Amino acid sequence: SQQGEEDPQALSIQEGENATMNCSYKTSINNLQWYRQNSGRGLVHLILIRSNEREKHSGRLRVTLDTSKKSSSLLITASRAADTASYFCATPPKGYGNKLVFGAGTILRVKS
Amino acid sequence: NAGVTQTPKFRVLKTGQSMTLLCAQDMNHEYMYWYRQDPGMGLRLIHYSVGEGTTAKGEVPDGYNVSRLKKQNFLLGLESAAPSQTSVYFCASSYFPTADSNQPQHFGDGTRLSIL
Repeated sequence: SQQGEEDPQALSIQEGENATMNCSYKTSINNLQWYRQNSGRGLVHLILIRSNEREKHSGRLRVTLDTSKKSSSLLITASRAADTASYFCATPPKGYGNKLVFGAGTILRVKS
Repeated sequence: NAGVTQTPKFRVLKTGQSMTLLCAQDMNHEYMYWYRQDPGMGLRLIHYSVGEGTTAKGEVPDGYNVSRLKKQNFLLGLESAAPSQTSVYFCASSYFPTADSNQPQHFGDGTRLSIL
């Protein structure tokens, strides 16, 4: 079962533009994570935002979390061709085990 | 420091054959996970382990077995492969979660498995 769902499914932009991806989830959470997957590779952790945080930055990445709307957004500023990848949000289901439930992802293509 | 290493990277099996996928991590992580990724879908958890000698079922455990005899290794077995198990399999590991938050998971580069 998918907890998080990303929107849009695919996004194509020019190098230098900003890219925004959204994630909606269904149940209450104590944190939300974003991951990147380059073609043919494993997922790489980008950022974790806790439920008591509203915004978090890491380099050119900005993540927001709105727990009242059960949604999060990932903004990549000044995109580069190397940012071309799939981006997934992940949320913890109920229970223990550090488990995550991943959405289907947003495919980002940055054209140079 | 290799991180998470998966072997093999590619494999083709015939229906009914068995095989074992190996995952090794060198980060001293307590937790390890096996996922499968199918086209257009996110990762789905097959089995996971919260420590050496322990395993637990995830979202899609049927047709798979796992073992964690050593802290650094997590094995995924297919006893009788079926075409529906054609997928890309990812292993991940993480530290023990804190009281109020998860820990990030570290992934290998996957095993691409085709079952004919």
